[in-house]
This record gives sequence, structure tokens and C-alpha cells, in this order.
Amino acid sequence: NAGVTQTPKFQVLKTGQSMTLQCAQDMNHEYMSWYRQDPGMGLRLIHYSVGAGITDQGEVPNGYNVSRSTTEDFPLRLLSAAPSQTSVYFCARETGGRSNQPQHFGDGTRLSIL
Amino acid sequence: AQSVTQLDSQVPVFEEAPVELRCNYSSSVSVYLFWYVQYPNQGLQLLLKYLSGSTLVKGINGFEAEFNKSQTSFHLRKPSVHISDTAEYFCAVTRMDSSYKLIFGSGTRLLVRP
Repeated sequence: NAGVTQTPKFQVLKTGQSMTLQCAQDMNHEYMSWYRQDPGMGLRLIHYSVGAGITDQGEVPNGYNVSRSTTEDFPLRLLSAAPSQTSVYFCARETGGRSNQPQHFGDGTRLSIL
Repeated sequence: AQSVTQLDSQVPVFEEAPVELRCNYSSSVSVYLFWYVQYPNQGLQLLLKYLSGSTLVKGINGFEAEFNKSQTSFHLRKPSVHISDTAEYFCAVTRMDSSYKLIFGSGTRLLVRP
């Protein structure tokens, strides 16, 4: 998993429930991000963080919140789950200190909203 | 804004045959380019990257790609595929000035048949 641990691996929620997807890295990399993967659409950036205490929106941020209280952890929160949020979620971290290094991804969380 | 187009959603090929997976991008600024591979139920793994310099880049597992600025393309090639290359392949770009925001194509499923 390239040093990125995502939990849980699978989750089923009912519409309206809240949930936090966990992401932790085992290195001290500054940049972390969340993507969602939907069939035929590739991966789309939800939120990202360039360091502890700093977060910003990506391409599809609506319905999701993030925080970055420590360098190691970057949780993704669904405040009120909707069926449209059924997807596979990937967390990523940068591989090194230079900004042009590509990201490494966790194994994903498969989320179903009923 | 940047965009990535992978014209082929699926590419079937026989084992030991050559393959080319096409990727075209659109951007008004300079970009970095990447190819990722995703095996079933796994995260994304970096195959190769183009940052600068030689337009022909070599990656893992015998894959290579050529950056063509005039045609805004970054096609992925392998001279002889194996059954184990069956996977989904994603082309991605980032702006050079914000290289932590990956923009992905919709993916191409490579299906290698015996």
C-alpha cells in the first residue's frame, strides 16, 4: 500500500448516516489527498492538504469534509451520506520532498450508500 | 483547466502481441504526465512519468511512453504483453505549478488473451 493505510476496506451505509474514512501515512510527507473512483470516470480529486492545518477543495468537494490535525492522518468525513456518494475512495500521499513527485495510493475504501 | 482523454475504454490483445494505449491531454500551461496501473481490487501503482528531458520514458514491467508536445499525446506502449498485464490503465496530468492535483483520464482496460 506504499505506506498509505486506509480503513475500513468496505462499508455499507444508509442514506443520511455519517461516517469517517481514515487515512494514515507512515512517512512525514506533507501532501495528502482524497480521490473517488467511479466507473468510466477515472479518479476525481475531492480534497487535498499540503500540510498540517492546511486543506483545500478539489474537483468534487460537495458533501465531504476533511481536516489535517497531524501530518500522519487525513480523515475524510461524510456528514450525511447520499446514494451518489457510492464509490471507491482512495487516499494518496506524495512520495518525496519535491512537488513534482507523483503520488502513491492506498488500497481504497469501497463505500455503498443504500 | 486541464483534461485528459483516453479514447479506448477497452483494448483486447493476444499474449505476446504489442499494445498501445492512447492518451491525449489538453492544457494551456506546461504539465507533468503519468501513467498508473490498477489491478483488480487494488490501489493505483505508478508505471512511469514524464517530468522533463527525453520524450521517451521507460517504466516498470517493460512499459514505455512517448511525450509528443505538438500532438499533446502521451501514449503507452509495450512490445510484448503478458497475461499478467491485464489491468486498468490510467493516464494523468498535473500542472507544473500545482503538481499535487492530478487530473485523470477515464481509464483503459487492457485485456490480454492467451
